[in-house]
Amino acid sequence: NAGVTQTPKFQVLKTGQSMTLQCAQDMNHEYMSWYRQDPGMGLRLIHYSVGAGITDQGEVPNGYNVSRSTTEDFPLRLLSAAPSQTSVYFCASSSGGASTGELFFGEGSRLTVL
Amino acid sequence: GENVEQHPSTLSVQEGDSAVIKCTYSDSASNYFPWYKQELGKGPQLIIDIRSNVGEKKDQRIAVTLNKTAKHFSLHITETQPEDSAVYFCAASTRGSSGSARQLTFGSGTQLTVLP
Repeated sequence: NAGVTQTPKFQVLKTGQSMTLQCAQDMNHEYMSWYRQDPGMGLRLIHYSVGAGITDQGEVPNGYNVSRSTTEDFPLRLLSAAPSQTSVYFCASSSGGASTGELFFGEGSRLTVL
Repeated sequence: GENVEQHPSTLSVQEGDSAVIKCTYSDSASNYFPWYKQELGKGPQLIIDIRSNVGEKKDQRIAVTLNKTAKHFSLHITETQPEDSAVYFCAASTRGSSGSARQLTFGSGTQLTVLP
């Protein structure tokens, strides 16, 4: 029962470096999304996907890219990391959309940008 | 953009007492209101949700109430236990920022501590 798996759990980057946060789910969910969690600000939606080949922007998409080539995987790319991207990132999936049913979250990826 | 406000940000209660967390939302078209619990080092997990055609929903020690006219909803936990200590997030379905599918907008979270 893997559910939603995120890697890596921890990462330290220098400003300007690039990296990819991986997210995989084994529940055959069409909907997948990325959130960032910052103190006092709750969870903010970065990007989401309603199926393979379909992605869209959320509330805070700047500085991040996504793609959805398979139902299972939804990687989040930081092209040129900035200190403002220091955060905890959560991937979530759902069988329906975000506004219709339960979101299943991964355990998070803590990113520090120096 | 759409807004979900959550209060209080921290809440301490004695074991066995009740805890209440309140949220307000701005999008009058919101129709789905879930509550998530996040334990330390984990991802959030759904504990209860309510839809706009219902005023109250209960699941054992947890209940949620919704007032659509006033645009607020609340989480009630009775007979609190130490394992209820966690961060709780409310959320409301809101219009997507790019104008497409409705998404969830989360409140800023409440750190609940149940004192033994």
